Amino acid sequence: AQTVTQSQPEMSVQEAETVTLSCTYDTSENNYYLFWYKQPPSRQMILVIRQEAYKQQNATENRFSVNFQKAAKSFSLKISDSQLGDTAMYFCAFMKVGSGGGADGLTFGKGTHLIIQP
Amino acid sequence: NAGVTQTPKFRILKIGQSMTLQCTQDMNHNYMYWYRQDPGMGLKLIYYSVGAGITDKGEVPNGYNVSRSTTEDFPLRLELAAPSQTSVYFCASRDRGGINEQFFGPGTRLTVL
Repeated sequence: AQTVTQSQPEMSVQEAETVTLSCTYDTSENNYYLFWYKQPPSRQMILVIRQEAYKQQNATENRFSVNFQKAAKSFSLKISDSQLGDTAMYFCAFMKVGSGGGADGLTFGKGTHLIIQP
Repeated sequence: NAGVTQTPKFRILKIGQSMTLQCTQDMNHNYMYWYRQDPGMGLKLIYYSVGAGITDKGEVPNGYNVSRSTTEDFPLRLELAAPSQTSVYFCASRDRGGINEQFFGPGTRLTVL
């Protein structure tokens, strides 16, 4: 079984600053995906960024980037030029890719509540 | 495309009552999932399905049942509601291939009193 750990229950930064959210995971799988999801107060789950484990290059999506360290089983999210709309819960999630193509779902961390102060 | 839709948005049940949470997707996705989110926690997988007629248990299946008679619909049934089932329930779907992204519905907030 996989576990995902987010050690920062809450973080608060000023608008326009850069913030990094931490995530570590434990697995014996070699082929998997990692994701960061954003959950604003509306509670809708929104995919922020994803990373394939077989890719060494870190994924980026506009202001969002990850630092993927496979050997250390670490997957942190960096948000640059933070905006008020980034205020939300952020969840790190793991999905193994097996014979069913990962049909067994996502394993989530407990989340980090990010607050962007004006 | 409406994506993944869930009904109802909110529901209050009494202990021992039963209900069905509805989930429908219009993206022709093979895989569908049910998760629950307890306060201050991440989502946990209840059940999933890889196609019509095929379902399997996730991490926390006790107290729930599912069925998948069509590609589009994946209802979640609570037979004897208990206070421990107070949670927010999310349905999600994913294409078999593609980019492996799960698309989530808006959630159902269920309270059992």
